[in-house]
Amino acid sequence: NAGVTQTPKFQVLKTGQSMTLQCAQDMNHNSMYWYRQDPGMGLRLIYYSASEGTTDKGEVPNGYNVSRLNKREFSLRLESAAPSQTSVYFCASRSGQVLNTGELFFGEGSRLTVL
Amino acid sequence: AQSVAQPEDQVNVAEGNPLTVKCTYSVSGNPYLFWYVQYPNRGLQFLLKYITGDNLVKGSYGFEAEFNKSQTSFHLKKPSALVSDSALYFCAVRGSGTYKYIFGTGTRLKVLA
Repeated sequence: NAGVTQTPKFQVLKTGQSMTLQCAQDMNHNSMYWYRQDPGMGLRLIYYSASEGTTDKGEVPNGYNVSRLNKREFSLRLESAAPSQTSVYFCASRSGQVLNTGELFFGEGSRLTVL
Repeated sequence: AQSVAQPEDQVNVAEGNPLTVKCTYSVSGNPYLFWYVQYPNRGLQFLLKYITGDNLVKGSYGFEAEFNKSQTSFHLKKPSALVSDSALYFCAVRGSGTYKYIFGTGTRLKVLA
């Protein structure tokens, strides 16, 4: 079991470029999440998907789009990258039915630098 | 709105001494509370959670946490710290009626030999 897999692990972009961060989980989880981690600000929720076919905004959705491609995969897209989007991005998933009390399982992170 | 506060950016403790990492929260409805640990250049690892029941929750690696409803707190504790416990610790809350897990800003624990 790989758990939650994120690609790429590292990426450098120029301002205005676009890119997609990929996330896949092999635990048959219903819910998936994207967070960004910045020094002194902890983890902030960008978008989440409660179940296949649904997505919702989190705390900091501006500048991002997401796609829940199927139950396994949840991608995060930056259409026009800005230096303020330099961060470490984490994907997470959670098991169970819609309001299950389970914990999140995290990937290893994707470190993005926008020049 | 949900929120979590971790008032200490860093906690220093000598090896063998007890440690406490503080967390307070604000949420509508019943809170589901979590602690995670992050080692350098790694993802977050789950330590323990409070859902309901006994206010003292035991988790991985000898950690425990005490839920206090009146003080809206969920402090992480360990009776005897190890150097290997040095890491970044995050508290998180989820309201019973939502899907959102909201995290605190993190507390860096440094255990001195």
